[in-house]
Amino acid sequence: EVQLVESGGGLIQPGGSLRLSCAASGFTVSSNYMSWVRQAPGKGLEWVSVIYSGGSTYYADSVKGRFTISRDNSKNTLYLQMNSLRAEDTAVYYCAREAWEDYVWGSYSWFDPWGQGTLVTVSS
Amino acid sequence: DIQLTQSPSFLSASVGDRVTITCRASQGISSYLAWYQQKPGKAPKLLIYAASTLQSGVPSRFSGSGSGTEFTLTISSLQPEDFATYYCQQLNSYPRITFGQGTRLEIK
Repeated sequence: EVQLVESGGGLIQPGGSLRLSCAASGFTVSSNYMSWVRQAPGKGLEWVSVIYSGGSTYYADSVKGRFTISRDNSKNTLYLQMNSLRAEDTAVYYCAREAWEDYVWGSYSWFDPWGQGTLVTVSS
Repeated sequence: DIQLTQSPSFLSASVGDRVTITCRASQGISSYLAWYQQKPGKAPKLLIYAASTLQSGVPSRFSGSGSGTEFTLTISSLQPEDFATYYCQQLNSYPRITFGQGTRLEIK
């Protein structure tokens, strides 16, 4: 079964650091595009970061310079290192795999599966 | 970044109703659009990708259409389990993937 399981969330003071983990089963993290998406309480979905299969990484402007996405191929696990946390980073964080399908006229993608989410609360 | 605007933001409907949710992109995204359903406390669930392709296992009462800047998600006959929040997502402008603000579908 293709599955993602996040861990590492919790209550952290402003300015603090936290590392989220996303353990994959049923597929290989390093062969896929993997993203983090967050959802503030009562709000919509916000893409945070992606790591491509080739290793390139990208970030939303709201977290650039503070968050780092990485993976451990031996553990088949995705990470999000979050530094200099702010109150506005409070959210449920989801990891997700980007799946692809090729057609004659193009390649299309979507996010599936998603992890169950882990809550990060930044508060003093 | 490409902005996605969903309408309506809130929808009240009854079991058996046909409902349509619209997602408009700030610039053309071809058919690089997916739709998700999210229930409270749960992760989003993929319904449709490539604007109109139904994900395996998703009931056929769900359908998607559109290309360019205007897209629709239609539920042909609402079932009790369909009351949830729906999001569109564009995957055209890499790496800056964006989501619509969501449409909350509630029981009338």
